[in-house]
Amino acid sequence: SSELTQDPAVSVALGQTVRITCQGDSLRSYYASWYQQKPGQAPVLVIYGKNNRPSGIPDRFSGSSSGNTASLTITGAQAEDEADYYCNSRDSSGNLNWVFGGGTKLTVL
Amino acid sequence: EVQLVQSGAEVKKPGESLKISCKGSGYSFTSYWIGWVRQMPGKGLEWMGIIYPGDSDTRYSPSFQGQVTISADKSISTAYLQWSSLKASDTAMYYCARAIAAAGVFDPWGQGTLVTVSS
Repeated sequence: SSELTQDPAVSVALGQTVRITCQGDSLRSYYASWYQQKPGQAPVLVIYGKNNRPSGIPDRFSGSSSGNTASLTITGAQAEDEADYYCNSRDSSGNLNWVFGGGTKLTVL
Repeated sequence: EVQLVQSGAEVKKPGESLKISCKGSGYSFTSYWIGWVRQMPGKGLEWMGIIYPGDSDTRYSPSFQGQVTISADKSISTAYLQWSSLKASDTAMYYCARAIAAAGVFDPWGQGTLVTVSS
């Protein structure tokens, strides 16, 4: 399968913990990477690999994976974390193709 | 600093051709894949295809195969996305991004090029 499925919308109270999930067959073979996109801006990589953060990404962002599900966790969500989040991985065809999830709109209340 | 800078917004009519660009700097342009991603208005990200500027090896998403052409000119560290005959449904923001294939990630991204196709 070449699809990644995300919940369309998730909300979290300020300072609380939220988990955003991504499901797909390709995640059994490949790690997901996660991108944050704020309105009018280009996506930014926030998590990749087993649980790696690029330089400059706060340590409240973390990633995990189990079976066909990858998760992005924000521990102590801040107002500036309100954004769309997309997961992405190689697809499971064996070709050099990628696939994105449909995106999750995170609202911080 | 690794950077991708894309060409400016375009307004075109249906049937016209277009080539947009993505110039890389701050790294070895020929050593990393460059991917293209579409985002239609109010919608999510869609992977279109990818090119390795070192040897111009190019792969396309099945959804975009035959609809666009991806190319690169390594002498000027620039990748391209082109259309031979635009449709209104090509109206979207287009992003390029450096792909680290082994890690399966796109980082960094260009600022995006808005393409508007309207009669």
